Amino acid sequence: DTEVTQTPKHLVMGMTNKKSLKCEQHMGHRAMYWYKQKAKKPPELMFVYSYEKLSINESVPSRFSPECPNSSLLNLHLHALQPEDSALYLCASSQGLQARDSYGYTFGSGTRLTVV
Amino acid sequence: KQEVTQIPAALSVPEGENLVLNCSFTDSAIYNLQWFRQDPGKGLTSLLLIQSSQREQTSGRLNASLDKSSGRSTLYIAASQPGDSATYLCAVRPGDKLIFGTGTRLQVFP
Repeated sequence: DTEVTQTPKHLVMGMTNKKSLKCEQHMGHRAMYWYKQKAKKPPELMFVYSYEKLSINESVPSRFSPECPNSSLLNLHLHALQPEDSALYLCASSQGLQARDSYGYTFGSGTRLTVV
Repeated sequence: KQEVTQIPAALSVPEGENLVLNCSFTDSAIYNLQWFRQDPGKGLTSLLLIQSSQREQTSGRLNASLDKSSGRSTLYIAASQPGDSATYLCAVRPGDKLIFGTGTRLQVFP
């Protein structure tokens, strides 16, 4: 299995809703990432998990809450989002996070989120 | 701060042409550089990964070069096809993060 699987593919939620995005990989990768991508822009890093621990939070608002229950699974919990949070949310994984490592990233197909 | 720029921003060509996409980065202290393809509304597909110690990588009709000292990478697409139409992103890895370029939107018409 060489894929990163994201569910759901599409999500429409109201500003008072609570929802979660799910990401799964079975490649034995120990680093997992959440990226946000707005239309016609490159992806922007949100969070990095290394060995199931949060390593980087790029000053993301608290209405986004990441969780890494195990080495294969990464969740992004959403609460009280704003319409400007509508975007494509991408999950990625890589074999390691050590500075000496030079592994590539594998991305999922993304979740298209619309906040109404 | 690492900044990654891609030129051109958009490109429209007839099929069969050989193409060159450029990527430049401001800080040469990187561990690798990765080229991705993204179809509209979809995720990223990795095309080529070049380690900092390498000069180029090839996969089929794609060839990517890396000149770390000058902060440049080039993606060469031979004999372009309509199926190559997509946005191409380069990304550098200076450490814990992957930093993306601004992208090149490519359209290849029959």
